[in-house]
Amino acid sequence: KAGVTQTPRYLIKTRGQQVTLSCSPISGHRSVSWYQQTPGQGLQFLFEYFSETQRNKGNFPGRFSGRQFSNSRSEMNVSTLELGDSALYLCASSLGSGQGEQFFGPGTRLTVL
Amino acid sequence: SQQGEEDPQALSIQEGENATMNCSYKTSINNLQWYRQNSGRGLVHLILIRSNEREKHSGRLRVTLDTSKKSSSLLITASRAADTASYFCATAPYGNNRLAFGKGNQVVVIP
Repeated sequence: KAGVTQTPRYLIKTRGQQVTLSCSPISGHRSVSWYQQTPGQGLQFLFEYFSETQRNKGNFPGRFSGRQFSNSRSEMNVSTLELGDSALYLCASSLGSGQGEQFFGPGTRLTVL
Repeated sequence: SQQGEEDPQALSIQEGENATMNCSYKTSINNLQWYRQNSGRGLVHLILIRSNEREKHSGRLRVTLDTSKKSSSLLITASRAADTASYFCATAPYGNNRLAFGKGNQVVVIP
């Protein structure tokens, strides 16, 4: 099976812009979770989607949003970008919610100038 | 919210030696997972241990879990240069996939 794919791999944006990141889970996986990784805060949970519904949300402002489509692909959107949003954004897929291993994609490196 | 915390945070060893990392957490968990990350790339899942398990092996990896002490350890035996990476523990609650990660251990294996 193909692994988790994320596009784009790299992004450079300026403050105030918005960005959309995409994640395609492993075939058959219905849960997609998103994480932000920064040197200062480490890995932090953003949100989880399961069967097109947001199941959990981390402690991030409303500028961070996401959605999941019927084919389980997921997108996350960050509006009004700030310098502090520069990070590696990782998505992870798993068969279901709370059922074990999560498989991560290679990440999208976002740089906000 | 619960959060894993690894100790020590940086480890430098010779090839062939064993590497041990520890992780502690604060609340009840469904399972605990260990991941490896090479140079800011994606996380690679290494092993999952459930809350009712005490020890698990996978190849050169051995994980222990002590729920009474809320701690886990990861042992890599006979380390190789390719094991050079950051290692993270992550705890998973019941019923969802919200992983809480520790700060990570940087392991350098010197050939």
